[in-house]
Amino acid sequence: DQQVKQNSPSLSVQEGRISILNCDYTNSMFDYFLWYKKYPAEGPTFLISISSIKDKNEDGRFTVFLNKSAKHLSLHIVPSQPGDSAVYFCAAIRNAGNMLTFGGGTRLMVKP
Amino acid sequence: EPEVTQTPSHQVTQMGQEVILRCVPISNHLYFYWYRQILGQKVEFLVSFYNNEISEKSEIFDDQFSVERPDGSNFTLKIRSTKLEDSAMYFCASSEARGRGSDEPQHFGDGTRLSIL
Repeated sequence: DQQVKQNSPSLSVQEGRISILNCDYTNSMFDYFLWYKKYPAEGPTFLISISSIKDKNEDGRFTVFLNKSAKHLSLHIVPSQPGDSAVYFCAAIRNAGNMLTFGGGTRLMVKP
Repeated sequence: EPEVTQTPSHQVTQMGQEVILRCVPISNHLYFYWYRQILGQKVEFLVSFYNNEISEKSEIFDDQFSVERPDGSNFTLKIRSTKLEDSAMYFCASSEARGRGSDEPQHFGDGTRLSIL
């Protein structure tokens, strides 16, 4: 199932710089997109979401951008902090549903 | 902050045995979910549950699986006759409403690691 894809399995960034995590999807029926963060031995924690009627949503250091025509979204973290080091999952939900379809995750390492 | 709790954290079971995974969702939440993650693979949706019935399920959730809310606080996943390929991390989640957006995200527990021998 490749409906939601995160092509970079890992990303390394210097503290204070911007982290950009990318996600692509194929299903046009997705109308909500979410980012979750996961630390080892813990469950995914919700970070931020965006509706398909918007192209940007911001919450503090986290901004999600949606390009519907390209079926692409990205998560920007500015400035990156060592505590941001985790696996980040992109997820999507279809119209009228509540089933999350996850990408494979990107491991972010923020170096002090 | 309220959280979803799952027990046990690790369950080891012989193939063919029944197993019940337990979850206590956040108390005012109305929607409940099970997901699983096989080692090295994506997190996959199994089932959602609302108003004492299944609202959505995936192809993975076959007749071997069942869910129940036996009382006002617990939400369980039962696997009737476990197979080796059922070995995975199982996550329970809950949401106040339909779990679709920032006002109503799905909150996950820390998971139960199920190992089938």
